[in-house]
Order: sequence, then C-alpha cells, then structure tokens
Amino acid sequence: DAGVIQSPRHEVTEMGQEVTLRCKPISGHNSLFWYRQTMMRGLELLIYFNNNVPIDDSGMPEDRFSAKMPNASFSTLKIQPSEPRDSAVYFCASTPGISSNQPQHFGDGTRLSIL
Amino acid sequence: RKEVEQDPGPFNVPEGATVAFNCTYSNSASQSFFWYRQDCRKEPKLLMSVYSSGNEDGRFTAQLNRASQYISLLIRDSKLSDSATYLCVVNRGGGFKTIFGAGTRLFVKA
Repeated sequence: DAGVIQSPRHEVTEMGQEVTLRCKPISGHNSLFWYRQTMMRGLELLIYFNNNVPIDDSGMPEDRFSAKMPNASFSTLKIQPSEPRDSAVYFCASTPGISSNQPQHFGDGTRLSIL
Repeated sequence: RKEVEQDPGPFNVPEGATVAFNCTYSNSASQSFFWYRQDCRKEPKLLMSVYSSGNEDGRFTAQLNRASQYISLLIRDSKLSDSATYLCVVNRGGGFKTIFGAGTRLFVKA
C-alpha cells in the first residue's frame, strides 16, 4: 500500500522565493496534518485538515505560511516569501479519521533550506 | 513548562540492557497516548499505542499513569537496531490537538 507521499524530498532556494510543498495522503484517510521539525523546536503541528477543511491552523507561524487541501488526495503548504529561519524538515501525516486515538502515518518529509 | 516533557537524552546503553523512558504531560484532558520512533533523517513511525492497562509488544512495554500524568516505555534486551529517538505523543480531546515531546535519543552499543 502506498504511504503518505511528499514532494519534493529536498528543496534549496534563496530567501524571498516562493516555496510550495506537496502532500498526497493515504487513500481513504480523512485527516491530514502538516508539521515542521527543527533541532531547536522539535516537531511542531502547523495545521490540520479534516475532510479537506482546515480545522486548526493555530500552529502556522505567520501570514507567510498558507495551506490548502483542494481535494481528498492532495494538499499544499506554501511559504511566500521564504526566509532562512524557515529552513526545516516539513512532514505531512494522515489518519483515517478525526478520532484522537488514531495514530498518524508520516511521509518521508521535505528538507527545506532557505539561503 | 512544555505540555509534554521527556527525559533528556542521550541514553547510552550496552546491548542486552534494559532501558526506560518517562514522559510527563500537563493537560489532564489528554485522551490518547503513543510512542513513536524516529531514526536519523527519517520520518517518525508509530512504535506503539499506550493503553490505560499497560501493554506489551515483544521487548517493548508501555504504561500510562493518569493520576500522575506520565507514560513510560521500557525496552528489554536492547539491540543495536533500537538506536533511535523515541517521541512521546499526547492527543488532547476536543479537536485532535497532537503534541509531540522533544524526544529522547537512545544509543545502543555493542
């Protein structure tokens, strides 16, 4: 079975550029999560969707960050304009539903470096 | 104070040793609990869920103490392949708020 698929695996770009990260959740999973991981702050939940609707975006650091889920099989996280402090590993995860006792399945992550 | 706190690492143990990690959480409304494992430069992967009655999966035992608000993970007969970072995860009710601990690094040496 295909797991959560993220692209690109690596992204290196200059500050000020727009960055778009992509995620395809596991088929049939209704909840999707975006995380950011850094050495200093660990794994932070940025936003999560249920049935394509954003439920909680309180973790989104600032207006430069936006996320969309136009359909059940695709989500994007966009940073515009990007800054060096956005450098991190960004993970996408999905679960079958919104019940809190369901574990999350993570993608391989996107390693983002902003120069 | 962080909502989920873990033992600071790293833990350095020889093969065959028993090692235990603790994790405390501050929100009494927390409803479900997990241990994840993360290898270097890889994604977190579910190791095991933590149930109120405690549960075991091979060499791994997880326990939950709701009164004291902590969970634990015990690894028996450590293997070299157990070397990783172990993340404590707590889900609150009312909107599926997931909090990850900072992780505890384990190094198992031959």
